Amino acid sequence: AQSVAQPEDQVNVAEGNPLTVKCTYSVSGNPYLFWYVQYPNRGLQFLLKYITGDNLVKGSYGFEAEFNKSQTSFHLKKPSALVSDSALYFCAVRDNDMRFGAGTRLTVKP
Amino acid sequence: DAGITQSPRHKVTETGTPVTLRCHQTENHRYMYWYRQDPGHGLRLIHYSYGVKDTDKGEVSDGYSVSRSKTEDFLLTLESATSSQTSVYFCAISEWTGRGNTEAFFGQGTRLTVV
Repeated sequence: AQSVAQPEDQVNVAEGNPLTVKCTYSVSGNPYLFWYVQYPNRGLQFLLKYITGDNLVKGSYGFEAEFNKSQTSFHLKKPSALVSDSALYFCAVRDNDMRFGAGTRLTVKP
Repeated sequence: DAGITQSPRHKVTETGTPVTLRCHQTENHRYMYWYRQDPGHGLRLIHYSYGVKDTDKGEVSDGYSVSRSKTEDFLLTLESATSSQTSVYFCAISEWTGRGNTEAFFGQGTRLTVV
């Protein structure tokens, strides 16, 4: 069965520094990978996706993600973090269903 | 925002009672999902639907049933609520097209407390 793993429960970065939130995946065919963000007391919001094509995917709010087939990873990145980026981030993989990782809480400190 | 409405938004119920949560969409999307969100577990898939009357189990389906009699509505029923089903429940919708229009859109969630 397809799955994703987020190895870090918590990531802390200083404002202005680059950030990375890690995700690895396990699928039997071509991966359809996603990143979502959740702000307090809200539903999840779509950030970006990898379906096919370029390994570097750009998404909303300045986020990007790098697909690495050899390492089965899909890490979320941003060159310069903002305090407003503080939220819960989820990686997901899709077949007919959609499975999520356990989430990583990102805290950006001023 | 995608047209997804979950009802009720909050509910407190007693152990052993049946509970039904409703997800209504106005996007005519084929796929609908029910998830539960618990600290430390992220989102876990309960059931999903890939068309009217077409449903399948997810990771944590025990104690839950679903029905989809029309495209716009997907109902989640807790047959006999238990305290372990206290959670926040999210509905999501998506399409599945050759153009990769595959991302999911989420409702605002239903906070269910079983006492």
